Amino acid sequence: EVQLVESGGVVVQPGGSLTLSCAASGFNFDVYNMHWVRQAPGKGLEWVSHIRWDGGSTDYADSVKGRFTISRDNRENSLYLQMSSLRREDSALYYCAKAAWGGDLDHWGQGTLVTVSS
Amino acid sequence: IVLTQSPGILSLSPGERATLSCRASQSVSSRYLAWYQQKPGQAPRLLIYGASNRATGIPDRFSASGSGTDFTLTVSRLEPEDFAVYYCQQYDSSPYSFGQGTKLEIK
Repeated sequence: EVQLVESGGVVVQPGGSLTLSCAASGFNFDVYNMHWVRQAPGKGLEWVSHIRWDGGSTDYADSVKGRFTISRDNRENSLYLQMSSLRREDSALYYCAKAAWGGDLDHWGQGTLVTVSS
Repeated sequence: IVLTQSPGILSLSPGERATLSCRASQSVSSRYLAWYQQKPGQAPRLLIYGASNRATGIPDRFSASGSGTDFTLTVSRLEPEDFAVYYCQQYDSSPYSFGQGTKLEIK
């Protein structure tokens, strides 16, 4: 059974930094692309970032480019999102999602909540 | 690519047919258009991939079609558990945008 478990969400001050983690199990993590998607309270889904299976290619939403860094450790079956220069508008539930071979997001974690507030 | 979903809210009764629309600001390959369902307090769930293919375990009352800039999700006979928010997503080109969602509510 595919499992994705996010962690690391906390309350952080504006301008602060944070790293989210996603522990993957139940599939061959090292051959699948992975994504981060976020959802502000009461709002819709916003795609944040993507990383290729080998870590050799990454993409970011314009809203986080230059501030967030996605990475992965295939030996540890883990996905990460380093977040810096955090803004109030970054407050959201952050989901880790696995991409199927076709690119659709076929499995999602339950999310970890990031709150940016002073 | 901006995805615009309509209507924003759809009020229907169980047993009725629901038709949800997703329009893209530029052409999207039909191979790279998905629909997701999200219920309150839950993570999104993949319903449809490649514009028209049901994901594993999705009942056949869900169907989808479309190409280019216009895509449609249809629920043939609404069951109580189908009332949720539905999102389309394109993964044709980065950034891999979502639509703003359609809330399907019980009338």
